[in-house]
Amino acid sequence: AQSVAQPEDQVNVAEGNPLTVKCTYSVSGNPYLFWYVQYPNRGLQFLLKYITGDNLVKGSYGFEAEFNKSQTSFHLKKPSALVSDSALYFCAVRPIKAAGNKLTFGGGTRVLVKP
Amino acid sequence: EAGVAQSPRYKIIEKRQSVAFWCNPISGHATLYWYQQILGQGPKLLIQFQNNGVVDDSQLPKDRFSAERLKGVDSTLKIQPAKLEDSAVYLCASSSHSTWSPQETQYFGPGTRLLVL
Repeated sequence: AQSVAQPEDQVNVAEGNPLTVKCTYSVSGNPYLFWYVQYPNRGLQFLLKYITGDNLVKGSYGFEAEFNKSQTSFHLKKPSALVSDSALYFCAVRPIKAAGNKLTFGGGTRVLVKP
Repeated sequence: EAGVAQSPRYKIIEKRQSVAFWCNPISGHATLYWYQQILGQGPKLLIQFQNNGVVDDSQLPKDRFSAERLKGVDSTLKIQPAKLEDSAVYLCASSSHSTWSPQETQYFGPGTRLLVL
């Protein structure tokens, strides 16, 4: 069965500093990997995804993520964080070929960007 | 392009009562999902439709939960009778591609927050 681990419940960073949100996954075969962001009282917003090809994926709002197959990781990064980036971030994995093929989410990481 | 619509946004009921949630996906999206998100956790898939057919309902508690998508567009999720542990946010998502497609990306609605007392 597939799973996603987000080892940090919360990440605190000062505005203007680099932001990293960690994600590791376990899946049979090759994965599709996703990052979503959730603002208070709102649904999940799609940020970016990795399908194949270049290991560095660029997404919305200046975010990017790096796929590392050997470490089974897909960390989310932003070079310079904004206060408005404060939200809940979810990593998710879907196997490329598997019965059910459903999207499995991690537990989420709360990001707090301080002015 | 309008996003995924859900109603109601909030619902408070007592245990053993019934409740229904409605979802209208993005126009033209054939695939529709219902997720349950318990506070402090990531969303968990309850059921997945492809047009009006069920693709995966393996994690749906079928003794109390039911869902339908009769005309392949709108969907309703029902809980009857509700339990305290059903308190959660119920998220609807839709996608223009099937789950086997590399292009498949799910777009989420704002959710319905359910509190069971």
